[in-house]
Amino acid sequence: AQSVTQPDIHITVSEGASLELRCNYSYGATPYLFWYVQSPGQGLQLLLKYFSGDTLVQGIKGFEAEFKRSQSSFNLRKPSVHWSDAAEYFCAVGAANAGNNRKLIWGLGTSLAVNP
Amino acid sequence: NAGVTQTPKFQVLKTGQSMTLQCAQDMNHEYMSWYRQDPGMGLRLIHYSVGAGITDQGEVPNGYNVSRSTTEDFPLRLLSAAPSQTSVYFCASSYTYNEQFFGPGTRLTVL
Repeated sequence: AQSVTQPDIHITVSEGASLELRCNYSYGATPYLFWYVQSPGQGLQLLLKYFSGDTLVQGIKGFEAEFKRSQSSFNLRKPSVHWSDAAEYFCAVGAANAGNNRKLIWGLGTSLAVNP
Repeated sequence: NAGVTQTPKFQVLKTGQSMTLQCAQDMNHEYMSWYRQDPGMGLRLIHYSVGAGITDQGEVPNGYNVSRSTTEDFPLRLLSAAPSQTSVYFCASSYTYNEQFFGPGTRLTVL
């Protein structure tokens, strides 16, 4: 079955500390991978995406993610967290070469709190 | 470009009432979808459309109808609102590579 797992429901880090949010997926086809961020009361904004090529992808706001096919993972990282990074983070996967079928499979999200 | 717009931002309904949540995009995207977001349940797909005149059900379609008469608009209709439909609703559109662009959401409360 296709699924996306974000093992950490809630994470708290101190401002300036490094961050890693985990995402594991189970998907039968070649995946496209995404990380989205949702600030309180807002819609979802794309942080970064992986389609092919270099497995380390850079995104907005200083985030990066690494695709590891052997581990079926796409973990999100940031070297130094800012208080404004407090938000909900969602990992999603879609099928490459899916034509018009652009449905995404979503993780349940990780809530990030940042201590001053 | 305005991107994906949704109206209204907030709505309170009584059980049994009907209403339409509006969604529009100005990016000429073929694919549009509706999600609901509930605490601890992530995003669940209600309905989606791969182009004008073509719609299909997602994970949780019961109690909702959609239509797609134009590329730009994808309204979501609640036929007879129930308290279980209290949620935040997001519309999204996509052009390629599954990358989806989200609207700001509609927060719906059904009493």
